[in-house]
Amino acid sequence: DTAVSQTPKYLVTQMGNDKSIKCEQNLGHDTMYWYKQDSKKFLKIMFSYNNKELIINETVPNRFSPKSPDKAHLNLHINSLELGDSAVYFCASSQGNRVNYGYTFGSGTRLTVV
Amino acid sequence: AQTVTQSQPEMSVQEAETVTLSCTYDTSESDYYLFWYKQPPSRQMILVIRQEAYKQQNATENRFSVNFQKAAKSFSLKISDSQLGDAAMYFCASGGTYKYIFGTGTRLKVLA
Repeated sequence: DTAVSQTPKYLVTQMGNDKSIKCEQNLGHDTMYWYKQDSKKFLKIMFSYNNKELIINETVPNRFSPKSPDKAHLNLHINSLELGDSAVYFCASSQGNRVNYGYTFGSGTRLTVV
Repeated sequence: AQTVTQSQPEMSVQEAETVTLSCTYDTSESDYYLFWYKQPPSRQMILVIRQEAYKQQNATENRFSVNFQKAAKSFSLKISDSQLGDAAMYFCASGGTYKYIFGTGTRLKVLA
């Protein structure tokens, strides 16, 4: 039973399209995150939600819109996809606003924009 | 601003030998935590070890241990008795409230 599950695992799409990535966690955590890992493996936070409320938005283009219908789910919708959006997107969760016990990561979604 | 620096893009180690991966950090938070994550080719992010900054004792998890030097803002990872399965990207991270800052990673190769 996967703790943090992301779907899809792979996504290939054309420039200009709109796509969504879904994330669900069954750990009872109340904080969820989206991270982007670029082609050089650099991991950067995009968004953080605590109990469905947006806590962190790290200067991400407004083509990216996260949505958290409940504290177990955090989805990422991307409009008008660009070549530079190609990356691996990781969802993660933690308990509370303190990251002391570490994140639990999903397995990532590799997005390729052609 | 918070930063995490890993100055070794790539390291190699012979199987059964010991290797140390370096990490330095800077943070404005007074209460923070430090982590090492492993990312094998499967791309899954796996927590290797964590260190509470207020604890002086270095964390240890089986073959993995850290050398935490708070004044120097240094947090290195030592892997003893290296195994082929240790080959992966290793990321150092600093975390406080709501988010981690990750280093750029060190690719570890284990030679048979």
